[in-house]
Amino acid sequence: EDQVTQSPEALRLQEGESSSLNCSYTVSGLRGLFWYRQDPGKGPEFLFTLYSAGEEKEKERLKATLTKKESFLHITAPKPEDSATYLCAVQDVSGGSYIPTFGRGTSLIVHP
Amino acid sequence: DTAVSQTPKYLVTQMGNDKSIKCEQNLGHDTMYWYKQDSKKFLKIMFSYNNKELIINETVPNRFSPKSPDKAHLNLHINSLELGDSAVYFCASSLTGLGETQYFGPGTRLLVL
Repeated sequence: EDQVTQSPEALRLQEGESSSLNCSYTVSGLRGLFWYRQDPGKGPEFLFTLYSAGEEKEKERLKATLTKKESFLHITAPKPEDSATYLCAVQDVSGGSYIPTFGRGTSLIVHP
Repeated sequence: DTAVSQTPKYLVTQMGNDKSIKCEQNLGHDTMYWYKQDSKKFLKIMFSYNNKELIINETVPNRFSPKSPDKAHLNLHINSLELGDSAVYFCASSLTGLGETQYFGPGTRLLVL
């Protein structure tokens, strides 16, 4: 059974204080790993998709990386507007389902 | 220009009532989904439809019945609401349903009293 674990559950940073969020996964084979951002009262918003170990993607202050067992979302010099819950989701190649399994998210607060 | 829209945004109702949530996407996608997000933010798939056809029906009580009149719309009807149904329900869509990015609606916050 797929398992997606995100850590930490909550993270408080000062503006400009870089850090990383972790997403550990257990799948038979990885079809894809997704990162989403969810603001309070809103739906998840797509950030990145990663498909194979070693792959990296960047967007503004965010950089997502992938290994065979985990993904990191690195946040460089965060700003208060980066405060949100970050969700990780994985798709397994086994079985006929393309539905991703979501982790419980990391709630990030960036203080000015 | 809302890509995936849901109505209503908030729904407060009594136990035992029947209610519906509507979802529409203007992205031209073939596949639509319903997710339930509990109080601990865990997103769990409920249903998936591709071109109006039910593809995935996870372990969801029979009180929940999705309906897709066309590929741009996916509605969720809930009979005999229970306290445990209180959650945020998200509609989402993706191009083909074959593993690409899902686009989520703003959510419907359901509170059963």
